[in-house]
Amino acid sequence: DGGITQSPKYLFRKEGQNVTLSCEQNLNHDAMYWYRQDPGQGLRLIYYSQIVNDFQKGDIAEGYSVSREKKESFPLTVTSAQKNPTAFYLCAVGVWGGEQYFGPGTRLTVT
Amino acid sequence: ELKVEQNPLFLSMQEGKNYTIYCNYSTTSDRLYWYRQDPGKSLESLFVLLSNGAVKQEGRLMASLDTKARLSTLHITAAVHDLSATYFCAVDLTQGGSEKLVFGKGMKLTVNP
Repeated sequence: DGGITQSPKYLFRKEGQNVTLSCEQNLNHDAMYWYRQDPGQGLRLIYYSQIVNDFQKGDIAEGYSVSREKKESFPLTVTSAQKNPTAFYLCAVGVWGGEQYFGPGTRLTVT
Repeated sequence: ELKVEQNPLFLSMQEGKNYTIYCNYSTTSDRLYWYRQDPGKSLESLFVLLSNGAVKQEGRLMASLDTKARLSTLHITAAVHDLSATYFCAVDLTQGGSEKLVFGKGMKLTVNP
């Protein structure tokens, strides 16, 4: 069993706190992605990484940071600089030129 | 900038009926993906369309891609309640050696008995 694991499923934080969302995969894919989904909206790309120790900003990177120290892991930190952090966060993995597979998601609520 | 538009965004239909939904995109791409999302859940891959004229079918759903018209369609045949979900199309954008997907806003489908 395995595939793509995101933890936790639900996360609650106070405003002003940084929080790190986990994404782990055992599919041996090089590319990993972080998306944000707001109610009734499509997915917006936050950051992506096509190889270990390298990552690029997506369309809405402000207030977020990532690292890619291992092929299996691509954690996302939501910093206090992110103005509206409450959202559903989805991690995806993929191969070059192919489709992306999505993890189960983390629902973050900041109050 | 690549824009992906889905039409319609909301659809309520009766069981047993047929319908076609559309996904238009603004710049050249040869790869398009359809995903399904159930409420509160993640995205599930439905179809991968990798070339002009590609047609894929799975059960009551059939997807096609016309890269010249920059259009993909998702046809629903004899809808059943279990098809109720939100359907996203996503277009591959490869620029400067980087590859990413650009998603439409999604079409929320409700199939009524």
